[in-house]
Amino acid sequence: DGGITQSPKYLFRKEGQNVTLSCEQNLNHDAMYWYRQDPGQGLRLIYYSQIVNDFQKGDIAEGYSVSREKKESFPLTVTSAQKNPTAFYLCASSNRGQGEKLFFGSGTQLSVL
Amino acid sequence: QKEVEQNSGPLSVPEGAIASLNCTYSDRGSQSFFWYRQYSGKSPELIMFIYSNGDKEDGRFTAQLNKASQYVSLLIRDSQPSDSATYLCAVIPGAQKLVFGQGTRLTINP
Repeated sequence: DGGITQSPKYLFRKEGQNVTLSCEQNLNHDAMYWYRQDPGQGLRLIYYSQIVNDFQKGDIAEGYSVSREKKESFPLTVTSAQKNPTAFYLCASSNRGQGEKLFFGSGTQLSVL
Repeated sequence: QKEVEQNSGPLSVPEGAIASLNCTYSDRGSQSFFWYRQYSGKSPELIMFIYSNGDKEDGRFTAQLNKASQYVSLLIRDSQPSDSATYLCAVIPGAQKLVFGQGTRLTINP
C-alpha cells in the first residue's frame, strides 16, 4: 500500500540532545513537508522540500534541520537549540503543483524528559 | 490579525442535524481553500476543497466560499457521531504556502 510512514510514534528528548524524526513515502511525490502541531492549535510549517537536495524554511524553522538526499525520505532533526520541542510532528507529501492536497503520515509525539 | 481564523469551539450538534463550521481569512488574494478533518491523536485528512465563489457539494459535505466577505464554511448534513473531530480550515494566501487555522472541535451528540 502507498503511504507515508513516520517513526517513532513517540519520542522523548533529554536536555541538550538532538533527536531525529523519520519520514518515508512511497507515493512517488516530489514535495515533502514537516509541520508542528501544539495542543488546540493548527499546523505550522517547519520546513518543506519540492525536489531532492533542495529544501526551504517554513514559518518556524529555528531549532530544526532537515535533509532530502532521496525522494522517498525527509528526516527532521530537532536540535538542542529548539527550547520548546514538545509537540505533535506531522510529515506530509504532495504531487508537484498540488501542494495543497497533502497526504499526512501518522505523526510523532515528541516530549521532553 | 491571524491569516486564517476559526472558532476553536467546541461546537456541539445533535445527531442528524446540520453542523456549520466557519473560517475567515485575511489575504484578499487567496485563491484556494481547503477543509481537513483530524480525529483525536490522528493526522489530518483532506475532505473538501473549493476554488470558486459559491457552493460545492460532496455527499453530506458542502463547502461554501464568499471571497467578497473573505469567509469559507463547511456544512455537514445529517451529522453522525463519526463526524466528531477537529476540522481545520486551510488557505493558500497569494502565491504562498498553505496556512492552517487553529481548527474547530466538533462533537456530534447521539
